Amino acid sequence: QSVLTQPPSVSGAPGQRVTISCTGSSSNIGAGYDVHWYQQLPGTAPKLLIYGNSNRPSGVPDRFSGSKSGTSASLAITGLQAEDEADYYCQSYDSSLSGSNVVFGGGTKLTVL
Amino acid sequence: QVTLRESGPALVKPTQTLTLTCTFSGFSLSTSGMCVSWVRQPPGKALEWLALIDWDDDKYYSTSLKTRLTISKDTSKNQVVLTMTNMDPVDTATYYCARTPFTSGGAFDIWGQGTMVTVSS
Repeated sequence: QSVLTQPPSVSGAPGQRVTISCTGSSSNIGAGYDVHWYQQLPGTAPKLLIYGNSNRPSGVPDRFSGSKSGTSASLAITGLQAEDEADYYCQSYDSSLSGSNVVFGGGTKLTVL
Repeated sequence: QVTLRESGPALVKPTQTLTLTCTFSGFSLSTSGMCVSWVRQPPGKALEWLALIDWDDDKYYSTSLKTRLTISKDTSKNQVVLTMTNMDPVDTATYYCARTPFTSGGAFDIWGQGTMVTVSS
């Protein structure tokens, strides 16, 4: 079980908007730690998509956006394209009595219909 | 251009120790605020963070694996080494190294291509 919870799958038609949620708790996202998002195309390494909750690295299209509120974060993709079909992971930091860790969500598979 | 490349054995036997090397270019691990991390991904499963080493040689480990992990760096060779003891079939995974600059707020901004490690007798 991942510390951060993501839906296993989402889907959308080309041109549509989809969102992927990342739900945490008071020991990670709710504690104020930043959330980052990665895109993993089949058979490749993850690629940083969003850092610091809502910042895009150079070269990432503005179709991708991130937000955070309370104990959750979201990744939104607008103008869905076939090449967006991939796995998406959120990442944050967790600090509790049992220790501190970098944590990932379980991943969400995006299917472009 | 920043690149990272993982290297190590593709197959290890149960109970053996795994040693992986991350060789990087385009940045220096002696630069203040720079870090390198190791992350793994079992086949068909999610990403799991393993360890991080920073420019000041501070080391951080996954709490669930810290008794088995050791991370070290050789700044002159631009390399970071991860060892994992007492390997088990459940440790079969693709192992990635990734750059983690403080300026990214803890995000892994550049990843290596990964190296697949199978644990089997």
